[in-house]
Amino acid sequence: NAGVTQTPKFQVLKTGQSMTLQCAQDMNHEYMSWYRQDPGMGLRLIHYSVGAGITDQGEVPNGYNVSRSTTEDFPLRLLSAAPSQTSVYFCASSPLAGGPFTDTQYFGPGTRLTVL
Amino acid sequence: AQTVTQSQPEMSVQEAETVTLSCTYDTSESDYYLFWYKQPPSRQMILVIRQEAYKQQNATENRFSVNFQKAAKSFSLKISDSQLGDAAMYFCAYWSRTGRRALTFGSGTRLQVQP
Repeated sequence: NAGVTQTPKFQVLKTGQSMTLQCAQDMNHEYMSWYRQDPGMGLRLIHYSVGAGITDQGEVPNGYNVSRSTTEDFPLRLLSAAPSQTSVYFCASSPLAGGPFTDTQYFGPGTRLTVL
Repeated sequence: AQTVTQSQPEMSVQEAETVTLSCTYDTSESDYYLFWYKQPPSRQMILVIRQEAYKQQNATENRFSVNFQKAAKSFSLKISDSQLGDAAMYFCAYWSRTGRRALTFGSGTRLQVQP
């Protein structure tokens, strides 16, 4: 299993540009989520999904869109990048029912995004 | 809303010694999980240990153990026989099983291990 994969690892954008951060998992997890990590802080939830076709907002959703058309993929779209979105972005997934790892989040390696 | 507080921004420990990282949380829920994650300089988030709130027994994973005090809403991490590879940021996190299912993180504790 590759686990949770994210692409790209690094990205530089100009203010106003749009882009999509990719996230995929091969563990058949129902739950997927996106977090951002700013310097000196823990991770904060942007959006999450409990299954294909179902998404919901987290703590800091403004400026981001998500969709979940398959169990495996959960892309994060930046609509019009702003310097305040400079951060490290983590995707995570977890099983929701059954087994010893229920509700345990497994993280991708992260994407470092800089908006100039 | 739940909050997680880590009051120790930095800690230092000698190699082979024991160190305890503190975490407190605030919630009105009864069904939840608590986690410790390790973030080394590679920035990968690595699960260290998990505690289910309904279990009174403290979780252990090799050299890592927790002291879970549910009434006091305290969840500390003890690292025994510290190794150089334990140097990292450690985050305490809360997972709700009844409200919005997501992790709420503390601000982290940077652990240094001195040879």
